[in-house]
Amino acid sequence: DQQVKQNSPSLSVQEGRISILNCDYTNSMFDYFLWYKKYPAEGPTFLISISSIKDKNEDGRFTVFLNKSAKHLSLHIVPSQPGDSAVYFCAASGLSNAGNMLTFGGGTRLMVKP
Amino acid sequence: DAGITQSPRHKVTETGTPVTLRCHQTENHRYMYWYRQDPGHGLRLIHYSYGVKDTDKGEVSDGYSVSRSKTEDFLLTLESATSSQTSVYFCAISPAGGLADFVYFGPGTRLTVT
Repeated sequence: DQQVKQNSPSLSVQEGRISILNCDYTNSMFDYFLWYKKYPAEGPTFLISISSIKDKNEDGRFTVFLNKSAKHLSLHIVPSQPGDSAVYFCAASGLSNAGNMLTFGGGTRLMVKP
Repeated sequence: DAGITQSPRHKVTETGTPVTLRCHQTENHRYMYWYRQDPGHGLRLIHYSYGVKDTDKGEVSDGYSVSRSKTEDFLLTLESATSSQTSVYFCAISPAGGLADFVYFGPGTRLTVT
């Protein structure tokens, strides 16, 4: 049973609009969450993270929101750009996990149309 | 970009043959990981290493073994490849524990088992 789920396999958004990618988790031991971006034929790259002691973290056009009670997080991209077209993975870890092992969701393919 | 290379980048092999994938890093990072990526499952941890000759199993370790005789190299071996091991394999590195933001992925190896 997947502990981290991204229920939308794909999302299409117009350039300039907001992209909202969602992620749900089931394991209450997770207390650190990350988003990775992946282009074809490349490895994932770190985008933004959030600790469970926060409910929001912002970095430029990217904002991650965490709702601990709902075990839900979301990534907002504003404004969306064609270069944002990629697969986005949500990942979770425990701060008590000294080895940085990550549990990933299935990914959401974002397409930003010009 | 973190100095991570994977070899080979593509491989086609037959069921029952042994296969070894190599991950090489130039960053002198302590932690190294092998993940596999499959549609709908995201990335799943196979094995990881926390130092030379120190390895442990991940979520999907059955059918795989690893070795790390030098800091810079982490080998993943499929003793007898099966079609279910057709996947894209990613190596990752991290400098220390408790630094989940600092997990860097290699470019991946696409393995097809026929």
